[in-house]
Amino acid sequence: QKEVEQDPGPLSVPEGAIVSLNCTYSNSAFQYFMWYRQYSRKGPELLMYTYSSGNKEDGRFTAQVDKSSKYISLFIRDSQPSDSATYLCAMSGNTGGFKTIFGAGTRLFVKA
Amino acid sequence: GAGVSQSPSNKVTEKGKDVELRCDPISGHTALYWYRQRLGQGLEFLIYFQGNSAPDKSGLPSDRFSAERTGESVSTLTIQRTQQEDSAVYLCASSEQGGGHEKLFFGSGTQLSVL
Repeated sequence: QKEVEQDPGPLSVPEGAIVSLNCTYSNSAFQYFMWYRQYSRKGPELLMYTYSSGNKEDGRFTAQVDKSSKYISLFIRDSQPSDSATYLCAMSGNTGGFKTIFGAGTRLFVKA
Repeated sequence: GAGVSQSPSNKVTEKGKDVELRCDPISGHTALYWYRQRLGQGLEFLIYFQGNSAPDKSGLPSDRFSAERTGESVSTLTIQRTQQEDSAVYLCASSEQGGGHEKLFFGSGTQLSVL
């Protein structure tokens, strides 16, 4: 079993839709949860950063963390064609190492 | 520099050849990471540098892979006797302090193709 599970998609939605992306994980030591966005032929860029459980909102993006269920989500409101990218969840914590663990990424297409 | 710079952006090599991939992190960032991304897959951790030392090299797949960092700046990832399964995008990231809990800044990667 992978430490972080993420549905690779692809997910196709019409412009203006609400998008829900999510990941599950198995290691209860994870405390820091991130979402990265990766455009084609580019490196990932950090979108959202959350510590422990709870919600965080930034513009059209909301990140949710439920540590009891080991489940994290990213919501995108009023999705735009420019949101078309691969979204990678990532997490880290006191796991005995220094690395951030990434999910496989979900490819999102927003149709105009 | 303005961001993390990686070179070359693309590398095509023949099976059995050695390759060197270069990473220039953001100036002043003490931590540097190498990740590998196979087609359609997530990022696979390879190695972490804090300064010039590598406290975590647990992700290097085999002894054909090695990396070094000099001057707390540039890092080179070397793959010896390349195999077709080494084909992937190799991504470098840097951060201000390290430890795995902070924001990572990624380069655009080196697309390695082993024929």
